[in-house]
Amino acid sequence: AQSVTQPDIHITVSEGASLELRCNYSYGATPYLFWYVQSPGQGLQLLLKYFSGDTLVQGIKGFEAEFKRSQSSFNLRKPSVHWSDAAEYFCAVGDGNKLVFGAGTILRVKS
Amino acid sequence: ETGVTQTPRHLVMGMTNKKSLKCEQHLGHNAMYWYKQSAKKPLELMFVYSLEERVENNSVPSRFSPECPNSSHLFLHLHTLQPEDSALYLCASSQDFGEGTQYFGPGTRLTVL
Repeated sequence: AQSVTQPDIHITVSEGASLELRCNYSYGATPYLFWYVQSPGQGLQLLLKYFSGDTLVQGIKGFEAEFKRSQSSFNLRKPSVHWSDAAEYFCAVGDGNKLVFGAGTILRVKS
Repeated sequence: ETGVTQTPRHLVMGMTNKKSLKCEQHLGHNAMYWYKQSAKKPLELMFVYSLEERVENNSVPSRFSPECPNSSHLFLHLHTLQPEDSALYLCASSQDFGEGTQYFGPGTRLTVL
């Protein structure tokens, strides 16, 4: 069965600093990979997804993620964090029928 | 605007009440999902409907009863809930069951007293 690990429960970065959120997955075949963001009291918004092709994918709000098959990772990055990026971020892996989510990483941005 | 709406946004109910959560998607999708999000736990998939037929039921207690009258609407009927059922209930839709990208609604925050 597929699984997703987000090793960092909380991350705090300064506004303007770079960000990397880690995601590792376990899946036998080529996975579908997603990053979602959730602001307090809101649903999940899709940031980006990887199905195939170029392993560096661009998303909304200036985010990108890189699929590394050898490391079973799909880390999310942003070169310069804004205060509005404070939220909870979820990595998910799908096999086409269902999504399995990681436990989430809460991002705090300090000014 | 995600194209998926949920009502009510907040609900407080007693253990003996009966209530319903509503989800509507405006994306022309064929598959709809109910998830439960509890504090400090990963999202749990509860039910999946594809073309108005239930295709997945992940061992959810019978006090939760889903209904999908058409491909745009999904309900979750609640009765005799327990305090541990307090959570954020999220609805999602995708173009088809098996098409990986799911789009989520804002959720209903349920509190069971």
